[in-house]
Amino acid sequence: DQQVKQNSPSLSVQEGRISILNCDYTNSMFDYFLWYKKYPAEGPTFLISISSIKDKNEDGRFTVFLNKSAKHLSLHIVPSQPGDSAVYFCAASAPGATNKLIFGTGTLLAVQP
Amino acid sequence: DADVTQTPRNRITKTGKRIMLECSQTKGHDRMYWYRQDPGLGLQLIYYSFDVKDINKGEISDGYSVSRQAQAKFSLSLESAIPNQTALYFCATSDPRGGAETQYFGPGTRLLVL
Repeated sequence: DQQVKQNSPSLSVQEGRISILNCDYTNSMFDYFLWYKKYPAEGPTFLISISSIKDKNEDGRFTVFLNKSAKHLSLHIVPSQPGDSAVYFCAASAPGATNKLIFGTGTLLAVQP
Repeated sequence: DADVTQTPRNRITKTGKRIMLECSQTKGHDRMYWYRQDPGLGLQLIYYSFDVKDINKGEISDGYSVSRQAQAKFSLSLESAIPNQTALYFCATSDPRGGAETQYFGPGTRLLVL
């Protein structure tokens, strides 16, 4: 059973526009959510996170929104740049198991110049 | 220099062979992890270690073993490799201090079992 789902395997966006990557989860115990970015031939790198006590966290061009009632989070990238082209994974963890990250399957973002 | 390093970066082996993947970190973190990634799937946890004396199984530990030789080193072994262990393997570290944990990943080892 996939507890963290990224239903869009890929997304293509024009440079300068907004990229919106979505993630849904089923486990209501999850209280910490992270986004990782992965380039080919590299390991995932941490991008941004959000605790369940918040509904928004912003870091430069990246903003994560959390809708707990819908069990949905999204990552907004504004403006999108060609260097943002990568696979984006969302991940979640539950209290008492903060080290056990459950990952989604990833979304490949392609930002077209 | 990279904080989390993995060797080898690529490996081809034959069914039945024993192989070891190694991970070293300079971040000073106590917690270390091994994950595998298959095409179209997310990362799945194989084993994790909270310190040198503490080893725990993850979601998919069958067919794998690990060794935590020191705080900075965590090795993954395939005792008798099989083709469905062909995957991308990642090592990661984290620091539990301060509450919520962020994991930091190595560059990965691409393993092909023939």
